[in-house]
This record gives sequence, structure tokens and C-alpha cells, in this order.
Amino acid sequence: NAGVTQTPKFRVLKTGQSMTLLCAQDMNHEYMYWYRQDPGMGLRLIHYSVGEGTTAKGEVPDGYNVSRLKKQNFLLGLESAAPSQTSVYFCASSGLGGATNEKLFFGSGTQLSVL
Amino acid sequence: AQSVTQLGSHVSVSEGALVLLRCNYSSSVPPYLFWYVQYPNQGLQLLLKYTSAATLVKGINGFEAEFKKSETSFHLTKPSAHMSDAAEYFCAVSASGGYQKVTFGTGTKLQVIP
Repeated sequence: NAGVTQTPKFRVLKTGQSMTLLCAQDMNHEYMYWYRQDPGMGLRLIHYSVGEGTTAKGEVPDGYNVSRLKKQNFLLGLESAAPSQTSVYFCASSGLGGATNEKLFFGSGTQLSVL
Repeated sequence: AQSVTQLGSHVSVSEGALVLLRCNYSSSVPPYLFWYVQYPNQGLQLLLKYTSAATLVKGINGFEAEFKKSETSFHLTKPSAHMSDAAEYFCAVSASGGYQKVTFGTGTKLQVIP
């Protein structure tokens, strides 16, 4: 039972480089989310999607782009990485009720360092 | 807008002692409240959820939380701490009604001393 799978688990980038984080879920969930976790700041929502082909901005969307071409996948892109984007990134998904009515299922995270 | 404040970024208890993790919320509409737990190197898992059905909510692993509207609080408790409870705990809030985003607190790391 895979649940939510994130790749890669670790990545080191140089300032200005680009990369894509992949999130895949096998629970047929409608909603998917990208959060970043920073010490003392909890989790902050970057972008989310309420269904295939849709995306929406969260609290801290600047510097990130997302795509949901397939229901099971949610991609997070950094076009030009900055040191401020050093963080742990979590993907999550939930069923039709959304994060309020259904529990969030989280991946195990991606540790990203931007030098 | 909704928000939660978790009092104490680190809490230490002895094994077998009461666990009390504090959370106060702010919401202009009836809130949904959550506690999530994060074990080392893992994603968050739902411990329990309040959705107005009952003010005392029981969760997994012996945890419970009580919704107190007069105090705008949703503190998490467990009568007797186990070593396996060592983790980071996050309180979260969402507005009730329709789809709403969940806003997380800053987290409290629980240390259990043998």
C-alpha cells in the first residue's frame, strides 16, 4: 500500500538551477497539495489542486509552479532556485471532501538544499 | 482567516506522566480542528479531528482533545506517555462549510524521558 510517494527524497541545487518534484498517489484522491516545512513555521501551503487539470495558489506560491496533468500525479517545479527555497517539501492528498472533511495523507518528504 | 497558536515549541515529560500539548485557535466561523503527528523522517499523520459532533474527541494511540469554545482552545492530552510518543505534534484549523484549506500551527516537539 504505497499511499503518497514523493521523489526524490533529497536534492541539492545551486542557485538558479531548476528542478521538478514528483508526487504520486494511488488512492484515487481528488485533492492534492504541496506544503513546505521550515523550522518554527510549521507547514505552509504552496499550491493545491482540486482535480485533474486544475491548480490554485496557496499561502506561499511565489517561485513555484505546479501541474496536475494526471489525477494521480502532482508536480512542483522550481524554475530558478533560491537559497530561501531550502526546505522540506511535503505532498499530501485527500478525498472528495477536501482537507476539511477528509484526512490528509502525506508523503515522506523531500529535503531540498539550495546553495 | 483562521489561525492556531501552539504554546511551547518543545515539551518534555517523563515516561508514564501526563502529556498536555496546548493549542489555541482563532476563527471567525465555526472551526474544524485537527491534531497531526509527525514521527522522525516521516510525513504527518492524523491523530484526531473535531467537527462539532462532540467536544471531547478521542484519537489514535490513546490521545484525546477537548474543544472549549469559551477558551478558544483545543489542547491535546494523553494520560500516560510512552517512549513511542516522542514526535512533533501539529495543531491545525479550517473553516467549516465547503472546501477550505487547512492552516497548521508551528508544531510542538514532545520528548519522553525514560
